[in-house]
Parts: sequence; structure tokens; C-alpha cells
Amino acid sequence: GAGVSQSPRYKVAKRGQDVALRCDPISGHVSLFWYQQALGQGPEFLTYFQNEAQLDKSGLPSDRFFAERPEGSVSTLKIQRTQQEDSAVYLCASSLLEHSPLHFGNGTRLTVT
Amino acid sequence: GQQLNQSPQSMFIQEGEDVSMNCTSSSIFNTWLWYKQDPGEGPVLLIALYKAGELTSNGRLTAQFGITRKDSFLNISASIPSDVGIYFCAGQPANTGNQFYFGTGTSLTVIP
Repeated sequence: GAGVSQSPRYKVAKRGQDVALRCDPISGHVSLFWYQQALGQGPEFLTYFQNEAQLDKSGLPSDRFFAERPEGSVSTLKIQRTQQEDSAVYLCASSLLEHSPLHFGNGTRLTVT
Repeated sequence: GQQLNQSPQSMFIQEGEDVSMNCTSSSIFNTWLWYKQDPGEGPVLLIALYKAGELTSNGRLTAQFGITRKDSFLNISASIPSDVGIYFCAGQPANTGNQFYFGTGTSLTVIP
């Protein structure tokens, strides 16, 4: 596709439910990033893939957060046993090469009630 | 993570005025990026900078990579109503992998 595609655009989960957020990067982009953006804040780094390898997951806030990119293309961010503090916009970005600029999707807005 | 200090936090200007905003870090960066984010959308890349001292323009936008490699500046000339939005700087530190850190944003309001 022409840009990074994320689904769903909106997700409402009851506290304790598991959620899965999907990211389709720009075709051919090697690197894929997940960011979390709280209201009124800048994006905060969560994790980064180069092809299928997860090279950095230092930003994941707890072991309830898990990301995968098994075939080096589509990625899924999974949050288990969601908590209210998980409510945020989750942004996915891809880049053509290592150190190239990031191109973002429109994000998934997660609301945990 | 890295702290990027972005200022000002918000700006209210008259249409036609010029705008300046900046971003500073506590450590040396290899790359600086500037993004604009509209409500409900993801950040859109405006300008990328790769070299200390580099000055790059994109239409009415001009950005500079500071010589110390710890700061960057974005200028918007002759502002128009569609410039409204939140502007973010992002930097990639030297020797710490591939991640980009983001500033806290500058909210720009243009009064017609």
C-alpha cells in the first residue's frame, strides 16, 4: 500500500481483556517501530524490529506488552490483561533502511474502561 | 529514555507571521527529524537532517541541525491557517541503536 496501515482505528476494552493491534508497514520497509502516545504528549518508543528480528524492546512498559513480526512484514502488538493506564494512541512507523526517517500510520486509539 | 526539550509549548500567531521553535537534547544526536501531527492522525514527516550545521528547506519550512549536535530549529515563514497543528522534533542519538526519541511538541494556532 501507499502508507502505513493500522487496524483497528479505535478499540475499547474492558479492564483485564487482551487486545491485539495490527500494523501493515510500507512494502519493502525493513524497520518497524511501535510508539505509545498519551494525550498531549509526544510519542514514546516501545519496540523496534529489523525484518523479523526484535532488536530493541526496552520501551515496553511491562511484560503484559508483547510484539511480533514473524515474517518481517506485518506486525502485531499485543497487550494482555489491559489496565486503565494502557489507554493511549498506539502508533506504528516503518522506515526503508536502518537510520532512515520514520513514516507513521494513523494509530489505534485504545480506551480501557 | 532520552529527554528532548521542545519549546515553546504553544504559540498563537497572526496569519502571515513567521514562527520559530526549537528542540534541545542532553546528548549528541546523529539525525534530527521534524514532524507535524493533526488531530486523529499520525505524525507526518516535514524535514530530515543528517549533518551538523545542515540547513534544509521544504517550501515555507526551514530546519537546521545545530552545530553542537544537541539541538535543532524549525522556522515557518508567512504562516497560513493550515499550518495549525502540533509540531514534534525527533532525534536519533549517536551509538544507541536505531530508535528515535520525540519532543513534547509545540502546538501552533494561526489566527486568520
